[in-house]
Amino acid sequence: GQNIDQPTEMTATEGAIVQINCTYQTSGFNGLFWYQQHAGEAPTFLSYNVLDGLEEKGRFSSFLSRSKGYSYLLLKELQMKDSASYLCAVTDSNYQLIWGAGTKLIIKP
Amino acid sequence: DTAVSQTPKYLVTQMGNDKSIKCEQNLGHDTMYWYKQDSKKFLKIMFSYNNKELIINETVPNRFSPKSPDKAHLNLHINSLELGDSAVYFCASSQAFPGELFFGEGSRLTVL
Repeated sequence: GQNIDQPTEMTATEGAIVQINCTYQTSGFNGLFWYQQHAGEAPTFLSYNVLDGLEEKGRFSSFLSRSKGYSYLLLKELQMKDSASYLCAVTDSNYQLIWGAGTKLIIKP
Repeated sequence: DTAVSQTPKYLVTQMGNDKSIKCEQNLGHDTMYWYKQDSKKFLKIMFSYNNKELIINETVPNRFSPKSPDKAHLNLHINSLELGDSAVYFCASSQAFPGELFFGEGSRLTVL
């Protein structure tokens, strides 16, 4: 079967750095997405990786290793507004998007 | 200007009723989707349309019927509502398939 694994919940301190991991087992691979979802709101796009390596976008970076079936989202200089769920999603060989259950990130002052 | 808008935002109804959720996008995208997000927060694809043609039809009960009158609209009609249908339903669109998804605000359906 196909699955995406990410931690259920993480806690970090304002101003710190946190890394949210995602491992995947899918039939084929055509890219990996990270989305942010605040409670009671819609998911919003953060990043897309299709090649190995690090993509940086301001305070957020996303890394991909296709050989390891692994990605992480790195958030720097954490702010209280970063408290949200972070969803990892992989596009398989049929271009279907497989979603993880999301990681709830709690930021403490 | 709202990019992807869906109505209603909240819907409370009795078991057995029929209800519809409407979705419109003004982004000029060719592909639209319906997702269901349950209490465990899993996002599950239900349907996808590309230029008014159905391209994804996951295993959902046939009580759920999508309708795309044009490529900017994708409505969801649900017959004979059941308790298990309670969830948040998100409409989304993308420029390409697959591609970055733009989500509507969600429609929270509660079946009593």
